[in-house]
Formats: sequence, C-alpha cells, structure tokens
Amino acid sequence: EVKLVESGGRFVRPGGSLRLSCAASGFTFSDHYMDWVRQAPGQGLEWVGRIRRRSNGFSTDYGASVKGRFTISRDDSRDSVFLDMDSLQIADTALYFCARVFVRGNHFFLDSWGQGTLVTVSS
Amino acid sequence: DIQLTQSPSFLSASLGDRVTITCRASQDISKFLIWYQQRPREAPKALIYGASILQSGVPSRFSGSGYDREFTLTISGLQPEDFATYYCQQSKANPVTFGQGTRLEIQ
Repeated sequence: EVKLVESGGRFVRPGGSLRLSCAASGFTFSDHYMDWVRQAPGQGLEWVGRIRRRSNGFSTDYGASVKGRFTISRDDSRDSVFLDMDSLQIADTALYFCARVFVRGNHFFLDSWGQGTLVTVSS
Repeated sequence: DIQLTQSPSFLSASLGDRVTITCRASQDISKFLIWYQQRPREAPKALIYGASILQSGVPSRFSGSGYDREFTLTISGLQPEDFATYYCQQSKANPVTFGQGTRLEIQ
C-alpha cells in the first residue's frame, strides 16, 4: 500500500523558516517524481513544486508564489522528500500535501497523496 | 502561466442526478487535463487523467471529455459519496495549475 506521511508543520512568525518532511512507503520511491501542493484554509489547491528523480538530475520546478523562497529536496536512501521554506509570509499559511507523481505515457498526475501537515504563519 | 477556470463554482444536485462541470484553459493544453475529487477533511483523489482516461478504481459513472481549451467532467447517477469539491489541473506546462474548484452539494 502506498503511504505518504507529512510532518514538520507548526506555528511560525513571518520571516521565519521551516522544513517539512514527507516519508514514503509501499513503492519504489526513487522511481518517482514527487510534488508538494498546498491548500490555504477554506481555499483551493495550489501547486508548490516538483522534484524529479535521479535520472532526471533531481531537477526542480516551483510555483511563482514560492520560487526563490522554497526549496524541494529528496533523500532516496530514506524514501523521503523535503520542503524547505524561507522568508515565510502570512499567505503561506496552508495545509501542505506531498504527492506522488504518476507518469503514464506523456501524462503526469498525482495519484497518491498524504494527509497533509499544517503550517500557520502569524505575528 | 496557464489559467484554468471552472464553472460553476457551486452546484446543488440530488441523488441520482447527472451533473457536468466545465474547465476552460487560457491556452491550448491538448489533453493534458486531470480531474480530482476532494471530500471534506480528506486529501484529493485523482479521477481522470488525459482528459478522458478513468483512473484505476474510479467508478464508471465518472467520465471526462474535451481537448484544447474546454473540458468537462460528468457524473451520471450521483451517489452520496460524490458530494465533494472537484478540481481540474493541467499538466501541459510548468507551473502546474489548478482550477478554483467546484463544490457539489446535496440539494
């Protein structure tokens, strides 16, 4: 069974930093791209970013609102993906999900999701 | 960035009804469109990818269609567990973007 468990969310002041972790199990983690998606309270889904696998150079892409402040990394030896968040803003308050990217032909979609970890940025 | 606009934003329907949700893209995305369902206090779940391909395990009452800029998700014969929020997402280009969501409620 595919399982993704996020952790690290907490209350933080504006301008602060935080690292979120996502532990994966039940599949060959190193074979998959991994995404982070967030959802502000009562709002819709916003893509945070993606990290590809070793054969794709562990390359990353980010959404415009987090580019330059957030960094995604992974440790395949620990089946984990990380989201380092700097210069946090009140608008970054959200439930952060990690999700597995499933690739079928030219199609990419998020086929497994964790339950999320809550980040609250407030003064 | 590619913008996705869903309509309606809110939909009220009854058990057994057939409903359709539309997602319009700001530019051509071919068939790189995914639909997700999110029930309250749950993570999203992929229903359809490639605009019309049913994800494994998803009931056949869900169907998707469309190409280029306009896409639809249809649910035929609403069941209690279908009352949720639905999102479209494009995977044509980075950054990945989502529609704003359509909330489907029981009438």
